Amino acid sequence: AQSVSQHNHHVILSEAASLELGCNYSYGGTVNLFWYVQYPGQHLQLLLKYFSGDPLVKGIKGFEAEFIKSKFSFNLRKPSVQWSDTAEYFCAVNNNAGNMLTFGGGTRLMVKP
Amino acid sequence: NAGVTQTPKFQVLKTGQSMTLQCAQDMNHNSMYWYRQDPGMGLRLIYYSASEGTTDKGEVPNGYNVSRLNKREFSLRLESAAPSQTSVYFCASSGSTQGYEALHFGNGTRLTVT
Repeated sequence: AQSVSQHNHHVILSEAASLELGCNYSYGGTVNLFWYVQYPGQHLQLLLKYFSGDPLVKGIKGFEAEFIKSKFSFNLRKPSVQWSDTAEYFCAVNNNAGNMLTFGGGTRLMVKP
Repeated sequence: NAGVTQTPKFQVLKTGQSMTLQCAQDMNHNSMYWYRQDPGMGLRLIYYSASEGTTDKGEVPNGYNVSRLNKREFSLRLESAAPSQTSVYFCASSGSTQGYEALHFGNGTRLTVT
């Protein structure tokens, strides 16, 4: 079975700091990759997704992620975070053969003003 | 455009009680899903329905049943609630049955079982 690991459970940054959240998955075949964000008290929303093509994917609100197939990784980055980026971030992987999207455990990001 | 609507938003049950969580989507999506969210564990799939008339077990189906009533509605039933089912439940839908599209989530139901 596929699994998704997010090694940073809690991250605290000051505004304008750079962000990188790690995501690694275990499935060896073709995958679809997603990052979702959950702002306090809200439901999950899509930040960005990768299906094929350019491994550097740009999403909303200045976020981007890079798919590195050899490392089974899909790390999320943002050059300069804002207080409004305080949220929980989830990496998710679908193995392209079925309907089951597997989520990582999430990373809680707190940005101090 | 409402998207995915879940009811209720909050519920407290006693051990052994039953309840049904309702979910409806207005995006004409084929696939619908029920997830539970627990701290540090991300979201885990309970059941999904790839299309009207079909349902399949996900990662953590024990203690739950589902009904895909029609294309719009997908309900989750707890027949005999247990404290281990205390969680936040999210319904989601997708236009793709092969995982090519992102999920659209409802606002969640916070369930406490005492």
